[in-house]
Amino acid sequence: DQQVKQNSPSLSVQEGRISILNCDYTNSMFDYFLWYKKYPAEGPTFLISISSIKDKNEDGRFTVFLNKSAKHLSLHIVPSQPGDSAVYFCAASAEGGADGLTFGKGTHLIIQP
Amino acid sequence: ETGVTQSPTHLIKTRGQQVTLRCSSQSGHNTVSWYQQALGQGPQFIFQYYREEENGRGNFPPRFSGLQFPNYSSELNVNALELDDSALYLCASRVRGGVETQYFGPGTRLLVL
Repeated sequence: DQQVKQNSPSLSVQEGRISILNCDYTNSMFDYFLWYKKYPAEGPTFLISISSIKDKNEDGRFTVFLNKSAKHLSLHIVPSQPGDSAVYFCAASAEGGADGLTFGKGTHLIIQP
Repeated sequence: ETGVTQSPTHLIKTRGQQVTLRCSSQSGHNTVSWYQQALGQGPQFIFQYYREEENGRGNFPPRFSGLQFPNYSSELNVNALELDDSALYLCASRVRGGVETQYFGPGTRLLVL
């Protein structure tokens, strides 16, 4: 049973437009959420995170939105750039972090010139 | 500041053998976690070490074991290798007691024949 779901295996967006990546979760104990970006042959790179006490967090071109009642979060990238082409993973953690991070299967974002 | 490093980068083993993977934590980090990423999947949590003791474990059998050393570096040992153990093994480190953001190394690609 997948506790973190990314239902879009891939997403294609034109350069300069907004990219929106979505993530749903089922475990109510999750209280911290993260987005990672991964290039082939590299480890995941941390992008941005959000605590369950917030509903929005911004860092430059990246904004994460959290809707706790819907158990849904999204990552917005504005404007999208060619270097943003990668696999994006949504991850979640329960308080204390002893159970590690639970990841979705990832969304492959392709930025078209 | 030195990031998370892992060795070796690639490894080929045969079924039934044993393997040891190594990880050096990011400077200042006292907690290390290991993840297995199969092809097309998100990383799956194996276990976590803090103060040289395992303090969290995912759904992996006992033939997956680990160590953490006083300098916070870590090893992942896998006994009786199976074909399904072929995957990318990722090490991540963080500061326990702070936010749950984990920082990943580049991974070790293990192929079991």
